Amino acid sequence: TQLLEQSPQFLSIQEGENLTVYCNSSSVFSSLQWYRQEPGEGPVLLVTVVTGGEVKKLKRLTFQFGDARKDSSLHITAAQPGDTGLYLCAGAVTDSWGKLQFGAGTQVVVTP
Amino acid sequence: GAVVSQHPSRVICKSGTSVKIECRSLDFQATTMFWYRQFPKQSLMLMATSNEGSKATYEQGVEKDKFLINHASLTLSTLTVTSAHPEDSSFYICSARPRTSGYNEQFFGPGTRLTVL
Repeated sequence: TQLLEQSPQFLSIQEGENLTVYCNSSSVFSSLQWYRQEPGEGPVLLVTVVTGGEVKKLKRLTFQFGDARKDSSLHITAAQPGDTGLYLCAGAVTDSWGKLQFGAGTQVVVTP
Repeated sequence: GAVVSQHPSRVICKSGTSVKIECRSLDFQATTMFWYRQFPKQSLMLMATSNEGSKATYEQGVEKDKFLINHASLTLSTLTVTSAHPEDSSFYICSARPRTSGYNEQFFGPGTRLTVL
């Protein structure tokens, strides 16, 4: 089983601060996705990373895929209250009809 | 693009009744659809994987006779919770993997909140 460990579980910061969420595994993933979920809604895809060492930016969000494709990070610069939500990383499980292995999630709360 | 709808968004039913939840990909064809269950403040738990025209594959511990999945077309999958009991109360979310996706991306529906009395 390919397991994804996500940390921290919870982050509470003030508006304007930076934060980083980590996603680690001992397994290699062919691709990795980051999602954000708000209460009572489904997760929304933020980004897909595919190549080892890849860095993608989405406004104030920076996503990095480790060189060995076993880990990833999400960095938010100058967080805003609208960034509040549950952040989930998910790795593509090999030979499995496209199943994703989800991390446990990081609840981020940004207060004004 | 890549919009997935779910219906109903919220349902309350009596114990012993059956509930059907629909999942539709609105602007793409989905090779595969997935059904998840989510408990408060927790991550998603995969229940089953559904491919169009074939039987669903259930995860270990998920009763296939209780959670019936039908994937009738490339844009529609349904989950029926049969003889529902209070412990089946949960947030059920579906996702769809586009036929053209090469990276296993899944697009999620808005979820269905099931409450069994």
